[in-house]
Amino acid sequence: QKEVEQDPGPLSVPEGAIVSLNCTYSNSAFQYFMWYRQYSRKGPELLMYTYSSGNKEDGRFTAQVDKSSKYISLFIRDSQPSDSATYLCASPWAGGTSYGKLTFGQGTILTVHP
Amino acid sequence: DTGVSQNPRHKITKRGQNVTFRCDPISEHNRLYWYRQTLGQGPEFLTYFQNEAQLEKSRLLSDRFSAERPKGSFSTLEIQRTEQGDSAMYLCASSLATGSSSGNTIYFGEGSWLTVV
Repeated sequence: QKEVEQDPGPLSVPEGAIVSLNCTYSNSAFQYFMWYRQYSRKGPELLMYTYSSGNKEDGRFTAQVDKSSKYISLFIRDSQPSDSATYLCASPWAGGTSYGKLTFGQGTILTVHP
Repeated sequence: DTGVSQNPRHKITKRGQNVTFRCDPISEHNRLYWYRQTLGQGPEFLTYFQNEAQLEKSRLLSDRFSAERPKGSFSTLEIQRTEQGDSAMYLCASSLATGSSSGNTIYFGEGSWLTVV
């Protein structure tokens, strides 16, 4: 079992829809969670970073963490065609020496069509 | 552009040849990471440096792989005797270690694509 699991999709939604992207994790040592967006043939870029359980908002994006069920979500409101990308959830390995050693999910491919 | 820079962006090589990728991190960043990403998968950690010291290596990093960061600035990743299974995108990332976990945001480069034929 991978430490971070993510449904690869693909997910296709109409412009303006609310998108829900989800991950589960198995390692209780994970304390911090990140969402990255990756456009085709580009490197991942950090969207959001969260530590505690609950919600964190940034513009059209909301990250949600439920540590009791080891479930991570990213919601995108008013989705735009420019949101079409692969979304990766990740967690740094808190037990090690570096928070840059990330464990990624497989990524969910999202397409927002006009 | 002051982001993480990688080159070459694309490399096609014959099986058995050696290849080297270079990464120039964001200038003030003291930590540098290498990841590998295959199609349909998330990136997988390979190794990381703090300044010039290589502090950790994944078991994914076979003996054919070697990474260096000689002066604590740019880094190279060399793959010797390439195999078809090495075909992937090799991502470099950097961060500034602040001692605060919340401040260790890592920034990725655009990757170097390797195709072994």
